[in-house]
Amino acid sequence: IAGITQAPTSQILAAGRRMTLRCTQDMRHNAMYWYRQDLGLGLRLIHYSNTAGTTGKGEVPDGYSVSRANTDDFPLTLASAVPSQTSVYFCASSEKGENEQFFGPGTRLTVL
Amino acid sequence: GQNIDQPTEMTATEGAIVQINCTYQTSGFNGLFWYQQHAGEAPTFLSYNVLDGLEEKGRFSSFLSRSKGYSYLLLKELQMKDSASYLCAVLDSNYQLIWGAGTKLIIKP
Repeated sequence: IAGITQAPTSQILAAGRRMTLRCTQDMRHNAMYWYRQDLGLGLRLIHYSNTAGTTGKGEVPDGYSVSRANTDDFPLTLASAVPSQTSVYFCASSEKGENEQFFGPGTRLTVL
Repeated sequence: GQNIDQPTEMTATEGAIVQINCTYQTSGFNGLFWYQQHAGEAPTFLSYNVLDGLEEKGRFSSFLSRSKGYSYLLLKELQMKDSASYLCAVLDSNYQLIWGAGTKLIIKP
């Protein structure tokens, strides 16, 4: 099935725990992105990758890390979760940076 | 700083026309996108403008004026399924999308 998948769909996590959100796309897109979406705020870019093997910091990178070992996968890791990281996380991809982005279904994360 | 403004919420009647405005101030401009997001779902692409003028796509049209830092999304013949949030986003000089907070559109019968 073409598109982007994310896992898990939702998660409740204790503060201080480590968590990895998974994202996989099968469209062979070069660029991938991680956003968080909070009520009343626009989507905010956490990290991005323009091509496999490279990553960059977005607007709100603190507390998050990413890797891009291959074209398809772009996992997001919270090293030590804090309550302010409670949010909906969307992964997206695009053929190149200037093209429209396609979004995964999102992960709803609650940190207690 | 970078800023994108759009109304928080709008209400319209089924069958009518609605215009959702977006103004922006960004470091550079490489295009403006509109996305639709139904509650609890992911954003989906609607339109892209990089040159001034109107782009029409079925019931939806999008307009851009780069000199005014302004865009609008026009929805015609509104249907109940158009109830959603509409997100304006600008591609800045680093080819990163800067997002507005979104406009929640409520359609009444």
